[in-house]
Amino acid sequence: QSALTQPASVSGSPGQSITISCTGTSSDVGGYNSVSWYLQHPGKAPKLMIHEVTKRPSGVSNRFSGSKSGNTASLTISGLQAEDEAYYYCSSYTSSSTLVFGPGTKVTVL
Amino acid sequence: QVQLLQSGAEVKTPGASVKVSCRASGYTFNSYYIHWVRQAPGQGLEWMGVIYPSGGSTKYPQIFQGRVTMTRDTSTSTVYMELSSLRSEDTAVYYCATGGGLWMPFDIWGQGTMVTVSS
Repeated sequence: QSALTQPASVSGSPGQSITISCTGTSSDVGGYNSVSWYLQHPGKAPKLMIHEVTKRPSGVSNRFSGSKSGNTASLTISGLQAEDEAYYYCSSYTSSSTLVFGPGTKVTVL
Repeated sequence: QVQLLQSGAEVKTPGASVKVSCRASGYTFNSYYIHWVRQAPGQGLEWMGVIYPSGGSTKYPQIFQGRVTMTRDTSTSTVYMELSSLRSEDTAVYYCATGGGLWMPFDIWGQGTMVTVSS
């Protein structure tokens, strides 16, 4: 059972923007700027999309952006494309010096 | 380039142990922390712990303490994750991953190793 909460699914039409939330506590998401987001296609290893709340690794489209307010982090995908259809997981460092993942959100492009 | 190459699929019976390997290449082995993450079928990601190849120090979450052991062989640039007292719920894909520093995000992942626990 994840300590972080994510919506099970989010959908949008091509070109639209969607936002996925990741809610934790002051002991993880709210307490550190160590939130990352990963994209995973079925049968594949996860891919890092956002780290340290807002930073995009080299090669990741600028359609992906991250933010945080209090104990909730968010991933926004703008200009939704068919290739964005995947599962998205948030993760956070915790006050127990461990790492926790969210349960994942399935993004569907309508 | 930095790569992590994992061992092949395993089938184990309940109560047994499994040892999965992760061979690193493309960087100085001792300098990057390597984490293990697992994913049960249709489920999310679960962090299993981390090992620092330089010295072999480890950190495990409480849920796995006593059942997981991470080790390394510096001569072959390989880390190992051994899980004991296997049960059906341990059926999952096991990944090694690294971001360099201890709590750096994982930008390099192994290809995954499927472990099936079945009688």
